[in-house]
Formats: sequence, structure tokens, C-alpha cells
Amino acid sequence: GDSVTQMEGPVTLSEEACLTINCTYTATGYPSLFWYVQYPGEGLQLLLKATKADDKGSNKGFEATYRKETTSFHLEKGSVQVSDSAVYFCALFTGTASKLTFGTGTRLQVTL
Amino acid sequence: GAGVSQTPSNKVTEKGKYVELRCDPISGHTALYWYRQSLGQGPEFLIYFQGTGAADDSGLPNDRFFAVRPEGSVSTLKIQRTERGDSAVYLCASSSGTGVTEAFFGQGTRLTVV
Repeated sequence: GDSVTQMEGPVTLSEEACLTINCTYTATGYPSLFWYVQYPGEGLQLLLKATKADDKGSNKGFEATYRKETTSFHLEKGSVQVSDSAVYFCALFTGTASKLTFGTGTRLQVTL
Repeated sequence: GAGVSQTPSNKVTEKGKYVELRCDPISGHTALYWYRQSLGQGPEFLIYFQGTGAADDSGLPNDRFFAVRPEGSVSTLKIQRTERGDSAVYLCASSSGTGVTEAFFGQGTRLTVV
């Protein structure tokens, strides 16, 4: 079945540090890939997405590239801010079912 | 409303009791989804409604779980004979079409079974 594996947290970084959160997937067919973010006290929000191989999704300074050869979709940001502190979820959608498959989430804590 | 609203935000119940969790989707959204997020896990799919009907209920863990959406807007997730393992955050999402990837999520209801 479909599955998503992402690095365990928490990840603690100083402000302006570089961020990488690893995500790999297993899927039948050709999935679309997503990163969702959950800020404290808020609902899940779509951060970025990529629908086919080599696509790069980007939003709010975050980027992720769909790598079919390594089945990966790592989230990156060059300079994190305290306001980026949240839980980040990698997810996939294959279209064969009406559901997103999520990873377990990675908590990011950014300190001054 | 402005977003997906879930009530209550927190619910504590005793083992064996019955609970109902409510979801008010964004006005006009025809698709509605329920997910469950257990501690330390990502959200897991429970059920998907298109209009009033359950288009996919393959994620419901057993027959103690049931959901309805009688008028195609508000949905209620019902759990009978609750068990401690049902403790989780229950998330609701809605979208204007059939695409869960375009859905907006509510803040969830945290259910604790003691």
C-alpha cells in the first residue's frame, strides 16, 4: 500500500539556519506529493505541492522537488524564522482513492 | 462560515460511552472528509462524503464508528462504546469539488477516553 516516511523530530534550529526535512514515499502509480503545515492551535494547511516528477513546489520560502528516481520530496528552506515553528507533514495522493496518505509529521522549533 | 468549524474542540468521555463530533464545512462545499490523528502519528483517513452520501468509508476502523451528513452540509461522526484507543484528534476537511488535495481542514476535536 501507499506510505510516507519522514524524518523524526523534533528539529531545533536557530533563526536563519537552513532547514531540510526528509520525506520518502512508496506508492502504486504516479502520486502527487504535498507538504502540509500545522501551526500551534490551527488546522492543517497546504504549504506546497508537486504533481509530477521533477516539479518543484514552493511557497513562503519553502521548496520541495519531486524526485521519482529516489522517491523523495524533501522540504527545504534557506533561512528559517521563529514563525516557521510548526509541525510539517509530507503526504501523497494517487487518485485511485479519495484520500491523502500522510507521514507521521516533523516538529520544527526555531529559536532566536 | 469563514472556515471549517469543529465542535467541541475538546471532549473527555468515559470508556464505554457514546460520543458525537460535529463538523461544519465551508458553505457550499460538497465534499467532506474525516481523518483521525493519533498521538505521534499523521492523519489517517476515515470517511469521505460527496453530498449526503458516503462515497468511501473504507477507513472506518470498525462498526463502532459511523458518520452521517443528512443534508449535505453538517456532518456528525458518531462513536459507540468508546475505548481508550479511540483517543485522538479527529479532523474534518471540506472542498468544493471532489479533490481532497484542495480541501480545507478544521482545527480538530481532541477526544480523550478515560
